[in-house]
Amino acid sequence: QKEVEQNSGPLSVPEGAIASLNCTYSDRGSQSFFWYRQYSGKSPELIMFIYSNGDKEDGRFTAQLNKASQYVSLLIRDSQPSDSATYLCAVYTGRRALTFGSGTRLQVQP
Amino acid sequence: GAGVSQSPSNKVTEKGKDVELRCDPISGHTALYWYRQSLGQGLEFLIYFQGNSAPDKSGLPSDRFSAERTGGSVSTLTIQRTQQEDSAVYLCASSFMDEQFFGPGTRLTVL
Repeated sequence: QKEVEQNSGPLSVPEGAIASLNCTYSDRGSQSFFWYRQYSGKSPELIMFIYSNGDKEDGRFTAQLNKASQYVSLLIRDSQPSDSATYLCAVYTGRRALTFGSGTRLQVQP
Repeated sequence: GAGVSQSPSNKVTEKGKDVELRCDPISGHTALYWYRQSLGQGLEFLIYFQGNSAPDKSGLPSDRFSAERTGGSVSTLTIQRTQQEDSAVYLCASSFMDEQFFGPGTRLTVL
């Protein structure tokens, strides 16, 4: 079992819809969870982080964390074509370096 | 403010040659990380520096890889006797707390 798992996609949503990206992790001791966006040919850009169970909202983005079920999700409201990218879930898994999922490719159709 | 910078942005080398990749972290960030991303793959941790502590080298794939961080700031990743499987984008990140910020990366191509 991979330490951080994501569906590779592509996840295709129409413009204006809600995109829901999911991530599961294996280390129950993980405390910090991150979502990065990576455009093709670019480096990852931090868009959200969450430490506590529940929801955290920032603009059109909402991160959701459920430690009991070991999953973290990212909701993107009013999706735009510019949101089309690969979204990487990352978790600190015991050592002080992030373990990344393989990413979910999101396509927002105009 | 200035973000993480890396140089060179692209490096093409011949198999067997040594290469050095440089990372300049965000000022004030005490932690520095190296990752690599092979084509179509996820990010793979290589090495982590925190202040003056001994680095965590647990992700280095072989003894051909080494890194140093001078003065708690700039870091150099060295790959000796490069192999074709070393071709990847090498990413540097820095952090002050938990959130890591990435540089633009160095694309290494080994012919």
